[in-house]
Amino acid sequence: NAGVTQTPKFQVLKTGQSMTLQCAQDMNHEYMSWYRQDPGMGLRLIHYSVGAGITDQGEVPNGYNVSRSTTEDFPLRLLSAAPSQTSVYFCASSYSSLAGSPDTQYFGPGTRLTVL
Amino acid sequence: GQQVMQIPQYQHVQEGEDFTTYCNSSTTLSNIQWYKQRPGGHPVFLIQLVKSGEVKKQKRLTFQFGEAKKNSSLHITATQTTDVGTYFCAPRGGGGNKLTFGTGTQLKVEL
Repeated sequence: NAGVTQTPKFQVLKTGQSMTLQCAQDMNHEYMSWYRQDPGMGLRLIHYSVGAGITDQGEVPNGYNVSRSTTEDFPLRLLSAAPSQTSVYFCASSYSSLAGSPDTQYFGPGTRLTVL
Repeated sequence: GQQVMQIPQYQHVQEGEDFTTYCNSSTTLSNIQWYKQRPGGHPVFLIQLVKSGEVKKQKRLTFQFGEAKKNSSLHITATQTTDVGTYFCAPRGGGGNKLTFGTGTQLKVEL
């Protein structure tokens, strides 16, 4: 199993550009989520999904869109990049309970994004 | 809403010294997870605590869940350079599907 994969590993954007961060998992996990990590701020939840076709907002969703058309993939879209979105982005996946609550999180290697 | 504080934010120790990080919540938790992130790496799951007063050990690491299920701690005995990294708690409230993280404690171990 490849686990959780993220592409690209590094990306530099100019303000106003759009892009999609890719995340895929091959563990048949129902629950997937996106976090951003900034120095001193820990991991902040952007969006999450409890299954295909279902997404919801986390703590810091503004400026980001997600979709979950398949169990395996959970892309994160930046609509119009801003310098404040410079960060390291982690995707994670897990099994979930019948109620949808997440179990042990498996993280991808991260994408380091710089917005100029 | 749930507010979580993780302290300290940073800790420098000499190799062989003990280390403790605390995670404190304003509300009662259903469970709490702990993760470790090595420098330049991604968070890796360590353990999950569910029961009031629960204590779990992994070699030199001891995890505790408070009796009131509002706080938790991670204690490392006789730190080694391999313990370097940031330790995060991920507390779960009584409902909802969000998994949020504490701000983390960065541990540095000096020889």
